[in-house]
Amino acid sequence: DAKTTQPPSMDCAEGRAANLPCNHSTISGNEYVYWYRQIHSQGPQYIIHGLKNNETNEMASLIITEDRKSSTLILPHATLRDTAVYYCIVRTGANNLFFGTGTRLTVIP
Amino acid sequence: DAMVIQNPRYQVTQFGKPVTLSCSQTLNHNVMYWYQQKSSQAPKLLFHYYDKDFNNEADTPDNFQSRRPNTSFCFLDIRSPGLGDAAMYLCATSPRQGVTFFGPGTRLTVL
Repeated sequence: DAKTTQPPSMDCAEGRAANLPCNHSTISGNEYVYWYRQIHSQGPQYIIHGLKNNETNEMASLIITEDRKSSTLILPHATLRDTAVYYCIVRTGANNLFFGTGTRLTVIP
Repeated sequence: DAMVIQNPRYQVTQFGKPVTLSCSQTLNHNVMYWYQQKSSQAPKLLFHYYDKDFNNEADTPDNFQSRRPNTSFCFLDIRSPGLGDAAMYLCATSPRQGVTFFGPGTRLTVL
C-alpha cells in the first residue's frame, strides 16, 4: 500500500472548518483514500473514504485532487469533541489497514 | 448496537503469566484483525483471519497467538507477557472488501 504524509499536528478554532491535508503521491489506480480518527483511549473510528470523486457524509467531506496525489479532509464546523488523531490511509478495497503517524488535531475553544 | 465488542476493557496480568483477550462481532464480517497500540504510537497490525485462514504479519513475535473458533469470535493469546507487551489491543472486522470497524480496545497492564 502507498505511504501517506500528514502534518504531525494542527489547531483549529471551535466552530471553524478544520482542513486536514494528506499527501499520497505514490497512490495506485485501485487504491482508495480512507480517513479514520482516534479519540484518546478509544478505538479508531471510520470517517470517510473515496477513490476519485469528492465525497461527503454526515461527519466530513473528502476532497481528492484530480491527479489523486493528495487529499483534504474537511470537518465543516469543528467542535471540542473533534479533538483527536486523524489518520489518512491508502489501501485497495481488500487490503489491510496500515496506520501512519497521523495528524493530532486540537480544537481550541 | 455494539458491533465489535472487546472484553475486558482493562486487563492486568503478571510478567510471564499467559493472558487471553476476547473479541466478538455482530457484523458477520469475514475478516477479523488484531492490532497492538503502544503509548503515543499508531496501531500496528499483528495478524488477521480471513474466514478461517490465519495471516501473521512478518514482525509479529511468536509470543502472540490467535484463535478464531467461529465467525463471531476471535481471541488474542499472549503466552508469556513481558513488560514491553503493555499496550492497547484493538480488534477490528471488515467484509471481504470495504470498511474496517474497530472495537473499543483492551488496555493491558503487565506487572
